[in-house]
Amino acid sequence: NAGVTQTPKFQVLKTGQSMTLQCAQDMNHNSMYWYRQDPGMGLRLIYYSASEGTTDKGEVPNGYNVSRLNKREFSLRLESAAPSQTSVYFCASTINPGVRFFGPGTRLTVL
Amino acid sequence: GQSLEQPSEVTAVEGAIVQINCTYQTSGFYGLSWYQQHDGGAPTFLSYNALDGLEETGRFSSFLSRSDSYGYLLLQELQMKDSASYFCAVRDGYSGAGSYQLTFGKGTKLSVIP
Repeated sequence: NAGVTQTPKFQVLKTGQSMTLQCAQDMNHNSMYWYRQDPGMGLRLIYYSASEGTTDKGEVPNGYNVSRLNKREFSLRLESAAPSQTSVYFCASTINPGVRFFGPGTRLTVL
Repeated sequence: GQSLEQPSEVTAVEGAIVQINCTYQTSGFYGLSWYQQHDGGAPTFLSYNALDGLEETGRFSSFLSRSDSYGYLLLQELQMKDSASYFCAVRDGYSGAGSYQLTFGKGTKLSVIP
């Protein structure tokens, strides 16, 4: 079992460029999440998908879109990157209420 | 609104015991989780308390008092590898289809010194 995988691990973008962060899990979990982590800010929820075919906004959704492609995959898209989106992005999945299984993260810098 | 308070930094000596506190104010409450994160790594799940009391898992224990809106993580026999950030997180809502919301604290950076 690979658990939760994310690609890419690192990315540098220029302001205005677009990109998609990929996430996949092989644990047959229904729920998947995207978080961003900034220094001193903890983890903030961007979007989540309670089950295949559904997505909902979290605490900080502006500037992002998501797609739940199937039960395994949940992608995060930045349509027009801004320097404020420089962050570390974590994908997570769960089957239990208080538990999140996190991927290794994507370190994104927007210049 | 939701708020979780935990100390930003704690320093402790190798072999000692350290307690990391978390107090919360949330509109709903179903349980308290703890996560560990090493520098450059991903958060990893440590424990989850839905009921009052102490849960023990090896050197780590977690406590919850719902009446006091308070919990703590206790680390015993500290090792250098325990140097990491520790986050408390409150399960505070149900999003449907079996999905639950977690609100994370800002984290406590634990430094273990020789």
